[in-house]
Amino acid sequence: QVQLQESGPGLVKPSETLSLTCAVSGGSMSSYYWSWIRQPPGKGLEWIGYIYYSGSANYNPSLKSRVTISLDTSKMQFSLKLRSVTAADTAVYYCAREIFGSGYYFGRRWFDPWGQGTLVTVSS
Amino acid sequence: DIQMTQSPSSLSASVGDRVTITCRASQSVSSYLNWYQQKPGKAPKLLIFAASSLLSGVPSRFSGSGSGTDFTLTISSLQPEDFATFYCQQSYNSPYTFGQGTRLEIK
Repeated sequence: QVQLQESGPGLVKPSETLSLTCAVSGGSMSSYYWSWIRQPPGKGLEWIGYIYYSGSANYNPSLKSRVTISLDTSKMQFSLKLRSVTAADTAVYYCAREIFGSGYYFGRRWFDPWGQGTLVTVSS
Repeated sequence: DIQMTQSPSSLSASVGDRVTITCRASQSVSSYLNWYQQKPGKAPKLLIFAASSLLSGVPSRFSGSGSGTDFTLTISSLQPEDFATFYCQQSYNSPYTFGQGTRLEIK
């Protein structure tokens, strides 16, 4: 059973770069998309972007200028970098496997499973 | 971006009640609609994908329906462990977007 685990600093200073890693265990990274999603305290969910196992990525336009998602299949992990952070980037950051449906479900996509999440606070 | 609107935003119900949560998309998303359950301090968990398909292991009291712009999540008989916040999410267009959430509380 695939499990995901986020890691990285819990505190980042304004204008600096937020860096998180998601470790994947219990399964292969091949043929899946790997996403980052965040949730500000007490608020809803925002999709940040994904990377495919081949290395191609897609980002939310609202964050595209500041985000890079990368992949290291040899280490079974993928990473998020968010540059020039402000207090508005304070959130719980989740990594998730994105499944692309096949057959009857071709084209449909969903997130399963998710990591437990890690709170990142932006403050000086 | 496709806007997803859930109603109600919060709901009080009792164990054993039948509950329905609605999700409306600002444009058609076909059946590219998923439902997640989130308990306090925990990550969201997938319940239903492709509008009406129940994830393996999810109790059969959960069901989803709809297509196009209007969708529903129904819990046929609430159990104590079902009290949580529920989110719909569209995967029809990038960027993927979520509803604002429906908080289900114990009456």
